[in-house]
Amino acid sequence: AQKITQTQPGMFVQEKEAVTLDCTYDTSDQSYGLFWYKQPSSGEMIFLIYQGSYDEQNATEGRYSLNFQKARKSANLVISASQLGDSAMYFCAMRDIYNQGGKLIFGQGTELSVKP
Amino acid sequence: DGGITQSPKYLFRKEGQNVTLSCEQNLNHDAMYWYRQDPGQGLRLIYYSQIVNDFQKGDIAEGYSVSREKKESFPLTVTSAQKNPTAFYLCASSIDHGGPTYSGANVLTFGAGSRLTVL
Repeated sequence: AQKITQTQPGMFVQEKEAVTLDCTYDTSDQSYGLFWYKQPSSGEMIFLIYQGSYDEQNATEGRYSLNFQKARKSANLVISASQLGDSAMYFCAMRDIYNQGGKLIFGQGTELSVKP
Repeated sequence: DGGITQSPKYLFRKEGQNVTLSCEQNLNHDAMYWYRQDPGQGLRLIYYSQIVNDFQKGDIAEGYSVSREKKESFPLTVTSAQKNPTAFYLCASSIDHGGPTYSGANVLTFGAGSRLTVL
């Protein structure tokens, strides 16, 4: 069975500093995708970044990068130059991408607070 | 602009009543999903549909029902059999052509959510 683990319920970071949010996963699938979503207090889920299990390079999207270590089954999100607007819940998620309709499963989330 | 519309944003229900949450998308996506989120927790999958007139149970389908009569629409009914329905409900969709080399097909786009409270 697939499982996502986020061990940091809450994190604090100073504005303009970098922060790493941890995510480990467990799956027997060979082809899978790893995702990070941001959920502000409004509730909407905002897609941030995607990493395919066969991608050799770590994904980057602007200030977001994904530190993918396949052997360790970790997919940590790195946010550089934190901004006050980054304060939100962050969810790591995974789905089987070999089969159409693979379910997207989520971790418990990490609440990030950016201090001015 | 393309997106997913959920309604209503807030809904109150008396015990014993069925309620239906609406989800409409104009993204031309094949797959649609319903998730439930409880306070301080991650999302749990209720139902999903890969194609019109077909849907599958997720991890917590008991007490819920869905239909997929049109590609654009995937309504969720919370029945009186759902013992603890107070939660935040999120609808999502994806292109779902699948495949490890087409990352865009695998991303789920979410609606703004519907918050259901049982009185």
